Order: sequence, then structure tokens, then C-alpha cells
Amino acid sequence: EPEVTQTPSHQVTQMGQEVILRCVPISNHLYFYWYRQILGQKVEFLVSFYNNEISEKSEIFDDQFSVERPDGSNFTLKIRSTKLEDSAMYFCASRIFQGVEAGYTFGSGTRLTVV
Amino acid sequence: KQEVTQIPAALSVPEGENLVLNCSFTDSAIYNLQWFRQDPGKGLTSLLLIQSSQREQTSGRLNASLDKSSGRSTLYIAASQPGDSATYLCAVRRTGGYQKVTFGTGTKLQVIP
Repeated sequence: EPEVTQTPSHQVTQMGQEVILRCVPISNHLYFYWYRQILGQKVEFLVSFYNNEISEKSEIFDDQFSVERPDGSNFTLKIRSTKLEDSAMYFCASRIFQGVEAGYTFGSGTRLTVV
Repeated sequence: KQEVTQIPAALSVPEGENLVLNCSFTDSAIYNLQWFRQDPGKGLTSLLLIQSSQREQTSGRLNASLDKSSGRSTLYIAASQPGDSATYLCAVRRTGGYQKVTFGTGTKLQVIP
């Protein structure tokens, strides 16, 4: 069964450093998302991406964050200057609309630890 | 703003028992509702997807129902097994826009052998 692949599975970074989280969505999917889950809290929406541009973003997704689909297969989330509160599990998701909604497929996540 | 609540927050049952997990949402203008399973420190595995026009969906021992008008969904697990132990999340997708989903608070299930 097709999967959404995320790398790395765990990343530790120092506060103030830039990180790039990588995702390879399912190849024929058209809509891409990033969500995050701070330990013990709800899964929260960050951003959606369609047709090579951001279609919606949450209040969490401020100027520190950016997304890119550089080569038609990868989908990346960049955090420019990490803060301690950015420590969380980050999930990438994708979906396709096939006349009938097929729902989201999520990756296994990247655990980001900012120290 | 859509709020999604799941009750109970945690549940512990003996193996073999049938159980029901509940999901409530405040805005009934939804496109669909998806149930996920999350194992500790892991990703989200989709279990069932119910379109707004449907009343229920079944997959193996799992059955999910949807009552849009009352803002509720239930996930029924038959003959529970220790391998069912995980956190179960419901996620509601609103109509319009690019359809982000709003996740519930989750129910942590433990099935005791």
C-alpha cells in the first residue's frame, strides 16, 4: 500500500538553528499538509499546500515556517530559527480527490527536539 | 470554530470485550470524519473514513457511525484484543476551503490480556 515517507524520524537541534523536515507524499496525491503534535497535546494543523502554493495556514505557521515542493516529489517544512516550544512530532499528510473523498494518509512523523 | 472532543480520555478493558469510543464535534457542517489509530511515538494510521452523507462504515471488527445533526460519531470495536491498545483519534473535516481537519483529544485504550 502506498505510504507517505518522512525523514528523519528523529532530529535534535540547538535553539536558534534552522531545520528542514522532509516528506515524500504519495505520488498521485495533489494536496499536502503539515501537522504537529506537542507531547501530550492534540494534533494541530499547520499548513496545507496545493498547486505549488500555500492554500491555508494556521496562526501557528508564522514567518519562522516555510514549505516547499522543490522537485515534484519532496515536500519540506523549514523552521528558520528553532525555539524550545517547537519541540514536537511533525506529521506530513497527503490526499487525493478521486470524485469521492479518499481521506488523509499520514506519514510516521519526525520527532523534533530543540535543546 | 470547530471543537472536537473525545470521551472517555482513557479506557481499560479486559480482552474480548466490545467497546465504544465517542467523538463529539460542535459544527455539523462537516465534509467527512476519519478515525485514526496512534501507537506511542508513532504516526497516524487511518482506520475508517465516513462521508457526511453516510451513516456508518465497517472494517473487520471496527464499525464507525456518524450522526451529523447531533454532532457525534462512535467507533465500535468488537471482541477487543491486546493489539488494539493504542490512542484513537477522530478527525473532522469541514466543508469548503482546502479542508484541513480538526483532531479530537483522543481516547487512550488499553486492552488487558
